[in-house]
Amino acid sequence: QSALTQPRSVSGSPGQSVTISCSGTSSDIGGYNSVSWYLQSPGKAPKLMIYDVNKRPSGVPDRFSGSKSGNTASLTISGLQAEDEADYYCCSHAGSYTWVFGGGTKLTVL
Amino acid sequence: QVQLVESGGGVVQPGRSLRLSCAASGFSFTIFGMHWVRQTPDKGLEWVAVISYDGSNKYYADSVKGRFTISRDNSKNTLYLQMNSLRPDDTAVYYCAKVVSGAPPRPMDVWGQGTTVTVSS
Repeated sequence: QSALTQPRSVSGSPGQSVTISCSGTSSDIGGYNSVSWYLQSPGKAPKLMIYDVNKRPSGVPDRFSGSKSGNTASLTISGLQAEDEADYYCCSHAGSYTWVFGGGTKLTVL
Repeated sequence: QVQLVESGGGVVQPGRSLRLSCAASGFSFTIFGMHWVRQTPDKGLEWVAVISYDGSNKYYADSVKGRFTISRDNSKNTLYLQMNSLRPDDTAVYYCAKVVSGAPPRPMDVWGQGTTVTVSS
């Protein structure tokens, strides 16, 4: 159950697009279409933004999209807004009903 | 709306026990599985355990297997985490979370606000 690998930080200007990667193995990301992404603002609980690789819960703007290729998943945020500044975590099913998270990526909106 | 409220956190000595609770409201608790996830500044988010809607299936992270027990009381809409043989590295904010709808295994959907557990002598 090793953690997934995310960049420590990414940044972008308002209106731009940014992509956050999440690297795993064939035992987690590569083996299942069960990658989810969470946004966490300081002092708050995580909020689900993407599940099942590319599905958005009701209420999440379509500026947020997810994808997967092999053992790597990605979260893309287009039309970046100041309110998108937060920590983002990926999560994947890792077999036998267990789950593994990434270390988190701090998104800074310049 | 979906609401999850954790309680039971506190300061406890190494080797002792603690039981966390998560009170659920605003949804049909009895038909959803539930997760416990913890968070530390150093290690970020770490999945701890998951339980099926009826409590018949339970799965744990290797780091807590044999020490922690997840359970639920559907008559009280409450989820529990019994933590025994606590260690300093169990210090974290503990969150409960409802699963996303659909056939298991399902990830975390709505999360509670968390309860802090500190293991220290």
